[in-house]
Amino acid sequence: QQPVQSPQAVILREGEDAVINCSSSKALYSVHWYRQKHGEAPVFLMILLKGGEQKGHEKISASFNEKKQQSSLYLTASQLSYSGTYFCGTATGSSNTGKLIFGQGTTLQVKP
Amino acid sequence: GAGVSQSPRYKVAKRGQDVALRCDPISGHVSLFWYQQALGQGPEFLTYFQNEAQLDKSGLPSDRFFAERPEGSVSTLKIQRTQQEDSAVYLCASSLGGLQGGTDRRNQPQHFGDGTRLSIL
Repeated sequence: QQPVQSPQAVILREGEDAVINCSSSKALYSVHWYRQKHGEAPVFLMILLKGGEQKGHEKISASFNEKKQQSSLYLTASQLSYSGTYFCGTATGSSNTGKLIFGQGTTLQVKP
Repeated sequence: GAGVSQSPRYKVAKRGQDVALRCDPISGHVSLFWYQQALGQGPEFLTYFQNEAQLDKSGLPSDRFFAERPEGSVSTLKIQRTQQEDSAVYLCASSLGGLQGGTDRRNQPQHFGDGTRLSIL
């Protein structure tokens, strides 16, 4: 039931690009992306809805492939501030409360 | 403040003691969620409130866990007879929710507090 994220960890140099994937075995209603720095609250990045919608947030964008039940987060020209752990949270059609099932996280480290 | 506020920030308790964790959501947010986050893992859903009604408590791991939101604002998560496996960060999140949100709850961003780090000795 828990979505699977890949890769588990990635190390980048400033300015490099990265892709983080989130796959689910269940039919998804929406996919939420968060970034969490150590000891801090998860910070909302964006929501992807059914329909293959793409969204952007500065140099961070994401897509949602409804057929594959997969979402991808794209980080372009990474900055030091992008370091942290990225979580996808999925909402399914079986519950309308909005509760999210989170993946295990992808740790991103951006080096100068 | 404008964000979700949780207290205490850190809590250390001896095994067997009862603890109470507080969450003050963003003003006007109808939906309130509690999540448990183990070290190195993603948050795991515990329970959901819409105003004062607890509509989903499917994630509470045992009957030692109890949550309430009596006036539809501040919420308290209580853990009785704590065990070492209860050690984790407890996160609270709120969202617009309900009719005020205007959109499906599943499409609304959740705003998290910094959490309470609970350590059971």
